[in-house]
Amino acid sequence: KNEVEQSPQNLTAQEGEFITINCSYSVGISALHWLQQHPGGGIVSLFMLSSGKKKHGRLIATINIQEKHSSLHITASHPRDSAVYICAVRNYNTDKLIFGTGTRLQVFP
Amino acid sequence: GEEVAQTPKHLVRGEGQKAKLYCAPIKGHSYVFWYQQVLKNEFKFLISFQNENVFDETGMPKERFSAKCLPNSPCSLEIQATKLEDSAVYFCASSQGRDEKLFFGSGTQLSVL
Repeated sequence: KNEVEQSPQNLTAQEGEFITINCSYSVGISALHWLQQHPGGGIVSLFMLSSGKKKHGRLIATINIQEKHSSLHITASHPRDSAVYICAVRNYNTDKLIFGTGTRLQVFP
Repeated sequence: GEEVAQTPKHLVRGEGQKAKLYCAPIKGHSYVFWYQQVLKNEFKFLISFQNENVFDETGMPKERFSAKCLPNSPCSLEIQATKLEDSAVYFCASSQGRDEKLFFGSGTQLSVL
């Protein structure tokens, strides 16, 4: 079993829909990152969380440390949100970043 | 600079040849990380630096891989005697502090033929 699991693996949505991507992890962490990898391969860091909730534009990220779970929400989705969204956690003991396998999102007009 | 600059974008090597990849972190960032993405979304940690010092190299296959971050020069990742399985995208990322937001370069696609 992977230490970081994401669901769903693939997600299609109609423009305007509310989207949720989930990340569960099994190790103690010091931080959790949400990354966006564009079709061209470039990676953008969206959020870094250690507790609570963060919001940036149409994106919201939440984390529940007790449940070892984080969610990334996209409100009013747009075709330009089409990308792979990756959850990565920093293992508290080893200090290493462990990556999830990503969620491929396609938003259709 | 204001972005992590990786060069080259693409690199093609014959098996057994040397490959050298470069990464200029964002000015003022103390930490540099190298990751290898073999298949889409499978990232493997290679090495990290705090300034010019190796911070963690436990992900590096040391027999063929080496890396440096020298003052006033881009960081480099060198692979001696490349193998087919080294074909991957190599990403460099930098951050101001160890537990701070990561900024990624656009990656170097290495193809070993």
